[in-house]
Amino acid sequence: RKEVEQDPGPFNVPEGATVAFNCTYSNSASQSFFWYRQDCRKEPKLLMSVYSSGNEDGRFTAQLNRASQYISLLIRDSKLSDSATYLCVVNYGGATNKLIFGTGTLLAVQP
Amino acid sequence: GAVVSQHPSWVICKSGTSVKIECRSLDFQATTMFWYRQFPKQSLMLMATSNEGSKATYEQGVEKDKFLINHASLTLSTLTVTSAHPEDSSFYICSEQGWVNEQFFGPGTRLTVL
Repeated sequence: RKEVEQDPGPFNVPEGATVAFNCTYSNSASQSFFWYRQDCRKEPKLLMSVYSSGNEDGRFTAQLNRASQYISLLIRDSKLSDSATYLCVVNYGGATNKLIFGTGTLLAVQP
Repeated sequence: GAVVSQHPSWVICKSGTSVKIECRSLDFQATTMFWYRQFPKQSLMLMATSNEGSKATYEQGVEKDKFLINHASLTLSTLTVTSAHPEDSSFYICSEQGWVNEQFFGPGTRLTVL
């Protein structure tokens, strides 16, 4: 089983749609969770951290379910500029600061 | 977030040559930096953790004699790919850690070995 699993997509959605991405992780000791965005041939950029209580940043909402080891990202009112690969990222747990990356979910927002 | 630069942004070299990639922290004093590589359509894979003033910690399967890491100052870590071969062609990215376990990435170096 992969340490961080994501649906690779692609998700093709029209502008204005709401889209949700899911992610599961295998290490129950993981403590920190993030969503990153990666554009084609570019470096990943931090989109948002994910907290147990859930958190929202504009059109983006992230949720964490520790019991199910499940993370989600919801994007409302999709824009063309949201087209990218979304990476689910989990801290390895314990004393290490290592991050484990999912393979990413490709989102293509269509006009 | 932190600002990280990398140089060069791309490099093409002949098989057997060595390539040095620089990673600079522009606004933090980074005691720890990370080196990743990413092959096409794959996720980022951690190669090593670079520690200022001490030896790097390499991930399993990464040859420390082939991928030399030096972190001589709080703002600069370098990765040297020695005797590069075509299978080393990849996107190499460094990062530094933020305040709460998140990491901020440099723009990456695209290496092509002919």
